[in-house]
Amino acid sequence: AQSVTQPDIHITVSEGASLELRCNYSYGATPYLFWYVQSPGQGLQLLLKYFSGDTLVQGIKGFEAEFKRSQSSFNLRKPSVHWSDAAEYFCAVGAQSNYQLIWGAGTKLIIKP
Amino acid sequence: NAGVTQTPKFQVLKTGQSMTLQCAQDMNHNSMYWYRQDPGMGLRLIYYSASEGTTDKGEVPNGYNVSRLNKREFSLRLESAAPSQTSVYFCASSTKGGGAYEQYFGPGTRLTVT
Repeated sequence: AQSVTQPDIHITVSEGASLELRCNYSYGATPYLFWYVQSPGQGLQLLLKYFSGDTLVQGIKGFEAEFKRSQSSFNLRKPSVHWSDAAEYFCAVGAQSNYQLIWGAGTKLIIKP
Repeated sequence: NAGVTQTPKFQVLKTGQSMTLQCAQDMNHNSMYWYRQDPGMGLRLIYYSASEGTTDKGEVPNGYNVSRLNKREFSLRLESAAPSQTSVYFCASSTKGGGAYEQYFGPGTRLTVT
């Protein structure tokens, strides 16, 4: 069955520290991979996406993600978090032929001052 | 350029009441989507419209109907609201259908059914 797992419901990180949010997927077809961010009370905004090519992709707000096919993972990273990064982060997987993105349950990022 | 707009932002209904959630996009996108978001469950697709004039069921369509009024507008109707439909509803659009395309989201409608 197709699925996306974000193992961490909450993550707390000190401001200025590095961040890694995990995403694992199970998908039969060649996946298209996305990370979205949702600030409190807001809609979702695309951070970055992977379709093919270089497995390290750069996104907005200083985020990057690495696609590892052997591990079925697409982890999101940031070298130094800012208080404004506090939000919920969603990983999603899609395929060209399928209209339905498969969404993870989200990881809530809490920033300690 | 407003992107994706949704009305209303908040709504409280009594069980059995009906309502329509409105969504419009000004990006000339072909595809539009309705999701619901519940705590710990991510986003679940209710219905989508691959292009003007077509609609299809998503993962959780029961209790909902949709209308793709024109290329810009895609509405979601609850005919007889139930407490299980308490949720945050998001409309989204993309240039084309299919999982390869970025989806742009509206700000959401927070619905409570008592």
